Amino acid sequence: EAQVTQNPRYLITVTGKKLTVTCSQNMNHEYMSWYRQDPGLGLRQIYYSMNVEVTDKGDVPEGYKVSRKEKRNFPLILESPSPNQTSLYFCASSWRPKYEQYFGPGTRLTVT
Amino acid sequence: QKEVEQNSGPLSVPEGAIASLNCTYSDRGSQSFFWYRQYSGKSPELIMSIYSNGDKEDGRFTAQLNKASQYVSLLIRDSQPSDSATYLCAVNNPGYSTLTFGKGTMLLVSP
Repeated sequence: EAQVTQNPRYLITVTGKKLTVTCSQNMNHEYMSWYRQDPGLGLRQIYYSMNVEVTDKGDVPEGYKVSRKEKRNFPLILESPSPNQTSLYFCASSWRPKYEQYFGPGTRLTVT
Repeated sequence: QKEVEQNSGPLSVPEGAIASLNCTYSDRGSQSFFWYRQYSGKSPELIMSIYSNGDKEDGRFTAQLNKASQYVSLLIRDSQPSDSATYLCAVNNPGYSTLTFGKGTMLLVSP
């Protein structure tokens, strides 16, 4: 089954404790992206990757890091999480950025 | 800043009616337009994509694109209570390899 997976699905952590949210896709897509969704602000792009070893900032990259060492994986790293990073996070993938993006199930992160 | 505007709603329609959802965008160079459906707490699910002017139909859904007016719409025929969700419009940003999403329109279909 073609899909985008994310782990963990739910995470509660404390300020400053480094965490990684994994994202994996089995569709051989070149393009992958991370979004956060907040009430009243909608979906906002954090980082994206056009291919292996090629990443770029989206609209809200501060406080986040990404890497793309393999085509199928695109982890999101929060090296020192803060409460304002409490949000619902989605990973998405696509063949090309101008084509359809398919979303993972989401990760609900709470930073206390 | 690229903008995609949607009426936040809620848009309330009775079961069996046609629901009409609208979206305007600011970048005339945009080429790709998408409609996603999102149930509360779930991930966005792609329901329609449209790349050229005119109408595109898929089952009960019709997407309409008018690039001259920078306007894209989604019609849902024979609306069902299970269509109650937030509908997100997304538009590609040419030259930036990104999508901009509208904040979504909440649709409520009453039995």
